[in-house]
Amino acid sequence: AQTVTQSQPEMSVQEAETVTLSCTYDTSESDYYLFWYKQPPSRQMILVIRQEAYKQQNATENRFSVNFQKAAKSFSLKISDSQLGDAAMYFCAQTDSWGKLQFGAGTQVVVTP
Amino acid sequence: DVKVTQSSRYLVKRTGEKVFLECVQDMDHENMFWYRQDPGLGLRLIYFSYDVKMKEKGDIPEGYSVSREKKERFSLILESASTNQTSMYLCASRTTGQINQPQHFGDGTRLSIL
Repeated sequence: AQTVTQSQPEMSVQEAETVTLSCTYDTSESDYYLFWYKQPPSRQMILVIRQEAYKQQNATENRFSVNFQKAAKSFSLKISDSQLGDAAMYFCAQTDSWGKLQFGAGTQVVVTP
Repeated sequence: DVKVTQSSRYLVKRTGEKVFLECVQDMDHENMFWYRQDPGLGLRLIYFSYDVKMKEKGDIPEGYSVSREKKERFSLILESASTNQTSMYLCASRTTGQINQPQHFGDGTRLSIL
């Protein structure tokens, strides 16, 4: 069975600063993808970034980047130059070979001016 | 852009009622999913469907059933609603093929069972 663990229920960051959200996972699959989704108060789940398990290079999307450590089964998300619009619940998720997602419990990001 | 539409944003029902949650996607996606979201638990998969008339149980199917008569529509049914089914319900769809294809989500239905 797959499990995804997010150990930080809430993280606070000041505008323009950097925050890192942690995520660990456990799987026996050899081929999988990892995702970070953002859920603002509007409730719409938005894909932030994705990482292929067989790629060593860490994915980057503008101010969002990941630190993927395959051996440690760790997949952290770094938000640089934080903005008020980054305030949301962030979910780490792993897909299996069928495309099903296993989600972590989520981390609430609070951005203060 | 992919559009996944859930029929209700908020819904209040009574214990014992049969409840239907509807989800429609406009991108001809083969795969559709129903999740339940609870604080501290993240999203948990209830049922999913790989194609029309196909359905598979997820991690928490008890008390739920689904219907997929048309490709674009995936319905979640609470056969006899109970208070412990009060939750946020999210529908998602994705195209089949490579596992890197992300799921696209609706805006969720916040369901209260009284």
